[in-house]
Amino acid sequence: NAGVTQTPKFRVLKTGQSMTLLCAQDMNHEYMYWYRQDPGMGLRLIHYSVGEGTTAKGEVPDGYNVSRLKKQNFLLGLESAAPSQTSVYFCASIAGGPTDTQYFGPGTRLTVL
Amino acid sequence: ELKVEQNPLFLSMQEGKNYTIYCNYSTTSDRLYWYRQDPGKSLESLFVLLSNGAVKQEGRLMASLDTKARLSTLHITAAVHDLSATYFCAVDKAAGNKLTFGGGTRVLVKP
Repeated sequence: NAGVTQTPKFRVLKTGQSMTLLCAQDMNHEYMYWYRQDPGMGLRLIHYSVGEGTTAKGEVPDGYNVSRLKKQNFLLGLESAAPSQTSVYFCASIAGGPTDTQYFGPGTRLTVL
Repeated sequence: ELKVEQNPLFLSMQEGKNYTIYCNYSTTSDRLYWYRQDPGKSLESLFVLLSNGAVKQEGRLMASLDTKARLSTLHITAAVHDLSATYFCAVDKAAGNKLTFGGGTRVLVKP
């Protein structure tokens, strides 16, 4: 099993450009999440999904959109990138049982100039 | 709004000594997690604590949970250099298994 994978690993954007980050998991997990991590801080939840075809807002959703058309994939979109979106983005998934833990992808380092 | 606070933010340890990291959270929750993050890397799950009085141990790390005090501790016994990392606690509410993270404790173990 590859676990949780993220594409791309690094990206540099100019202000106003758009991009999509792809998260894929091969563990048949129902729940998927997108977090951002800023220097010296913990992770903050952007959006999440409790199953195929569903999405919901997290703590810091502004400027981002998501889609979960397939159970194994969760896409994070930036329509018009801003320097404030410079961050490391982590995807995670969990099966949802009471003793389960979230499995995290390797992260995408995004810089917006 | 659920808030999670960790202290200290930074911990300089001497090898062989014992230390504790504290995690306080503001409202009742269903589960508490501890993660480890090495520089430039992803998060690795250490422990999941489910109920009051829960204690879990793995090697030199031991985590405990007091739900009445809304406090979890991560105890490090006889610190070694390999334990240098940032440690995060996180708390979730059952609906959606959404995690709220503490700010992290950066641990540096000096020889």
